[in-house]
Amino acid sequence: SYELTQPPSVSVSPGQTASITCSGDKLGDKYACWYQQKPGQSPVLVIYQDSKRPSGIPERFSGSNSGNTATLTISGTQAMDEADYYCQAWDNNTVVFGGGTKLTVL
Amino acid sequence: QVQLVQSGAEVKKPGASVKVSCKASGYTFTSYDINWVRQATGQGLEWMGWMNPNSGNTGYAQKFQGRVTMTRNTSISTAYMELSSLRSEDTAVYYCARDLPAAAVDFDYWGQGTLVTVSS
Repeated sequence: SYELTQPPSVSVSPGQTASITCSGDKLGDKYACWYQQKPGQSPVLVIYQDSKRPSGIPERFSGSNSGNTATLTISGTQAMDEADYYCQAWDNNTVVFGGGTKLTVL
Repeated sequence: QVQLVQSGAEVKKPGASVKVSCKASGYTFTSYDINWVRQATGQGLEWMGWMNPNSGNTGYAQKFQGRVTMTRNTSISTAYMELSSLRSEDTAVYYCARDLPAAAVDFDYWGQGTLVTVSS
C-alpha cells in the first residue's frame, strides 16, 4: 500500500521560514494537499492541489510537489501556526495521510 | 455558510455497532462527496471511505471493508457512517469531511468530530 512519510517534528523561530516535507513514491505525479490541526479542533485545509490556497488561508502558507517530495512552507511563521500538519494524497482509489508533523514555534 | 454538524459522543460495548450522522447545510448536499476519517487519541488521521450523496455509491478503505457502511438521506441532507463489530481499537474521534470538487481529493470542510468510545 502507498505510504507518505513526514518528519515527526519541526521547530522554527517566530518570523522564520518553516518547511515540512512529505515523501512518497512518485508523489510528484499525484496531487498533494496539507491540513493544519490544532489541539481539540478539526483539521483545516491549508493547501490543495499541491500549491493552491483555500480562501481565508494566509499567503504565508505555500506548497510545492515534485519528484518524491511535497513540501509545505510557512514564511514568517507566527505563534498561531503551532499545530500538527498532515499531508494527504490519493492513490489507487485510496486516500492516504502522512503520519503528521508537529510544528513548534519557539 | 457551509457546515457539517455531527451527532454526539457514543459509548459502545465491544461487538456492538455505532452509527454516526453528519448533517450538511449551506450547500447542495448531493453535489459533493462525503468522506469519513477517524483519529485515535494522540494519533494521526485515518481515512475510512467515501460516499457520493447523489448516487449513493461508496468506496471503503480495505481495512474497514465488511465492517463499515456509509449511507445518506438526501431529504434531510445527512450522511451516516455505521461501523460494526466494534473493538477497543475503534475508540477514536470520527470526522465527516466534504470533498472539494476538483481533480484531486481534498477535504475543504470538516465536521466537529464525534468521539466513539468502545469499552466493556
